[in-house]
Amino acid sequence: DAEITQSPRHKITETGRQVTLACHQTWNHNNMFWYRQDLGHGLRLIHYSYGVQDTNKGEVSDGYSVSRSNTEDLPLTLESAASSQTSVYFCASSEGQGAGRGPYEQYFGPGTRLTVT
Amino acid sequence: GQNIDQPTEMTATEGAIVQINCTYQTSGFNGLFWYQQHAGEAPTFLSYNVLDGLEEKGRFSSFLSRSKGYSYLLLKELQMKDSASYLCAVNPGSNYQLIWGAGTKLIIKP
Repeated sequence: DAEITQSPRHKITETGRQVTLACHQTWNHNNMFWYRQDLGHGLRLIHYSYGVQDTNKGEVSDGYSVSRSNTEDLPLTLESAASSQTSVYFCASSEGQGAGRGPYEQYFGPGTRLTVT
Repeated sequence: GQNIDQPTEMTATEGAIVQINCTYQTSGFNGLFWYQQHAGEAPTFLSYNVLDGLEEKGRFSSFLSRSKGYSYLLLKELQMKDSASYLCAVNPGSNYQLIWGAGTKLIIKP
């Protein structure tokens, strides 16, 4: 069965360190997204990609970067971790758009809980 | 700006019916999604509305009024496993991004 996985599931790191969160999907979806989820906020978009070599900034992209070298993977890098980046991070993927309708639903990975001390 | 509003928390009784509302103000509209998220887990897709009216899927139904910027999720015959957060999200159009509400935590009591 197709799936979307994230690793690690839990990570504790220190302020100032570089951290990379992995996301891998076997749906063969072109669209991939990274979100963070904090109490009291909805899912907030960090970066997204519509295909290989395509990356775009979301509403909370400062301090984060992504790269898309193949269809399956979209790793998220925190260049220099800050305590404000303590959060739960979700990766998602989706197909494009169907005829006569809007976008298809996004499928989510299990999430990575990141703590920056 | 773009905004989606949902109640923060609701409580209902097992076996009853509950309606979770969502209102939105977005720059455009190309569909509204409802997701369910159990504590500590990932969101999972429940429903999608792009035209006005009611979409029924088993015990869950979702309604959309584009003119009012309003949707609701109706859960019937509530079960304890329905205790979760319910997230409303809108695609404002022109791309595949979604604008998310903060979610409604639904507590089911026996």
